[in-house]
Amino acid sequence: EADIYQTPRYLVIGTGKKITLECSQTMGHDKMYWYQQDPGMELHLIHYSYGVNSTEKGDLSSESTVSRIRTEHFPLTLESARPSHTSQYLCASSGPGGWVTEAFFGQGTRLTVV
Amino acid sequence: AQSVAQPEDQVNVAEGNPLTVKCTYSVSGNPYLFWYVQYPNRGLQFLLKYITGDNLVKGSYGFEAEFNKSQTSFHLKKPSALVSDSALYFCAVRDNAGNNRKLIWGLGTSLAVNP
Repeated sequence: EADIYQTPRYLVIGTGKKITLECSQTMGHDKMYWYQQDPGMELHLIHYSYGVNSTEKGDLSSESTVSRIRTEHFPLTLESARPSHTSQYLCASSGPGGWVTEAFFGQGTRLTVV
Repeated sequence: AQSVAQPEDQVNVAEGNPLTVKCTYSVSGNPYLFWYVQYPNRGLQFLLKYITGDNLVKGSYGFEAEFNKSQTSFHLKKPSALVSDSALYFCAVRDNAGNNRKLIWGLGTSLAVNP
């Protein structure tokens, strides 16, 4: 099992609420990622980070924001949740070895906005 | 443009039979290729990767994949399927050319192994 943790696993929240999805890894990895996964399986990269104080938007436009103040922590925040944000969110990290290294994934957070 | 194709949305095999999950790719440079598996309500788990060297790569849980440069393919195989292999399988590629080193993901293939 990879040492990357996401909380909560499941979240049901009302429209307009602010939420933060937590992601932490204990492997000391510099690169971290957030993916959004459709019910139909497709993965979309929404944010990534190559290290502390480095964050970039991914391929899929997202209203969420991220921060990377510590190496091990990469939280994702939605200021005002909407039903269109309902999805599964997967956090991942990858370590040294350049671009040949594989990513380790958390178990995901399934978000439902009602 | 970089892309990955998993031509089959679903693959059904009987337990004990060999299985193949197909993946083809398009990159401008040399590819780094990966297979991941996702069990229900779980995150993705790394299975195996091809970076360089031997075209036949062995990975976790008895899976292997063969890199075929001429056919730009990286099909996942297992000689004898188990019911517990039923899951979603994702192929991904990273292009080693240029500055864009993001992973490109296939759409996934749902594998069902029937007892």
